[in-house]
Amino acid sequence: GENVEQHPSTLSVQEGDSAVIKCTYSDSASNYFPWYKQELGKRPQLIIDIRSNVGEKKDQRIAVTLNKTAKHFSLHITETQPEDSAVYFCAATGSGGSYIPTFGRGTSLIVHP
Amino acid sequence: DAMVIQNPRYQVTQFGKPVTLSCSQTLNHNVMYWYQQKSSQAPKLLFHYYDKDFNNEADTPDNFQSRRPNTSFCFLDIRSPGLGDAAMYLCATSRVAGTTKNIQYFGAGTRLSVL
Repeated sequence: GENVEQHPSTLSVQEGDSAVIKCTYSDSASNYFPWYKQELGKRPQLIIDIRSNVGEKKDQRIAVTLNKTAKHFSLHITETQPEDSAVYFCAATGSGGSYIPTFGRGTSLIVHP
Repeated sequence: DAMVIQNPRYQVTQFGKPVTLSCSQTLNHNVMYWYQQKSSQAPKLLFHYYDKDFNNEADTPDNFQSRRPNTSFCFLDIRSPGLGDAAMYLCATSRVAGTTKNIQYFGAGTRLSVL
């Protein structure tokens, strides 16, 4: 089955800095990669996603890049704000034709004002 | 507007006393999932329904069962809760059809405490 590794587990930055979270996956057949943000005590919510036929996608301060050859994808947040503080989960879907996502372990992002 | 609704938000039960958590959706999605999430960990899939077809994860304890009486509702039954079952339980839904990307919509969760 698919295996997703996510790093770092904790990321602490100053407001205004950039933050990068990286994930690797094991199955080259995976073709859809969502990122979820979960604030403390709240539900995970999709913030950005990318399909395997695209190398990069951007939405305002958030971007995701995908390197299919290396089997890794990254979340980039620029000009971080305190409200970006949350746990971020990456996921990979499509391995073996499965629609079930495999989640990474999560990254706790702390943005200091 | 909440599209995936979980009730109750907080549930306290006694060791060994059966408990049922509920989830409803207004999205008419064909797939519904139940996840267990413990502090600072990724959601762990317990099982899911693809339409009426039930799919159990291999490592889901027998203590956990689920029912989906119709498209909109799904229930998680914990027959004999143990202290280790205290966690946040998340319900999610998605529309799976062909090559459509599988975006999951999560409910707010039910936090279960076992005394």
